[in-house]
Amino acid sequence: QKEVEQNSGPLSVPEGAIASLNCTYSDRGSQSFFWYRQYSGKSPELIMSIYSNGDKEDGRFTAQLNKASQYVSLLIRDSQPSDSATYLCAVNRVMDSSYKLIFGSGTRLLVRP
Amino acid sequence: EPEVTQTPSHQVTQMGQEVILRCVPISNHLYFYWYRQILGQKVEFLVSFYNNEISEKSEIFDDQFSVERPDGSNFTLKIRSTKLEDSAMYFCASSGTSINYGYTFGSGTRLTVV
Repeated sequence: QKEVEQNSGPLSVPEGAIASLNCTYSDRGSQSFFWYRQYSGKSPELIMSIYSNGDKEDGRFTAQLNKASQYVSLLIRDSQPSDSATYLCAVNRVMDSSYKLIFGSGTRLLVRP
Repeated sequence: EPEVTQTPSHQVTQMGQEVILRCVPISNHLYFYWYRQILGQKVEFLVSFYNNEISEKSEIFDDQFSVERPDGSNFTLKIRSTKLEDSAMYFCASSGTSINYGYTFGSGTRLTVV
């Protein structure tokens, strides 16, 4: 079982719509969760972090976490063509005193003008 | 905003040659990482570094790889004898003291082994 799973997409939405991106993880001990955006040929850019069950909103982005279901999602409201990118879900795995981010393979989002 | 700096942005090397990828993490960060992304694939963990020693390394990080923090600012990844399959984007990242911090990634070094 993959540690972090995402649908590879592409997810295609019209401009102005809500894009919904989903992620599941396998390690129940994970405590912090992140969404990164990655444009082609560029490095991952942190856009949201979430640690507690429920919703966290930041501008057009809302992250949702359900630890019981081991599920994280990202909603992008009023999607813009500039949001077209690959969105990476990442989970911070803690083992002994070592931390590392484990990434999913990413969901490619296409926002159609 | 503080950033992680990586050099060079692109390196071409012949198979069997040694390469050193350089990174300057954010100055007050304590944890340092190297990740790799082969074209079209996921971002993969290579190694984490804390308190001047390796905290964890992946199966990819074999004896051909090493990391070093030679002074108070630089963090390097050395590949001793490059193989064709080492061609990838290599990202350096750093984070602060809390596990709730996301990592800040550098812009990456594209390594091409020919």
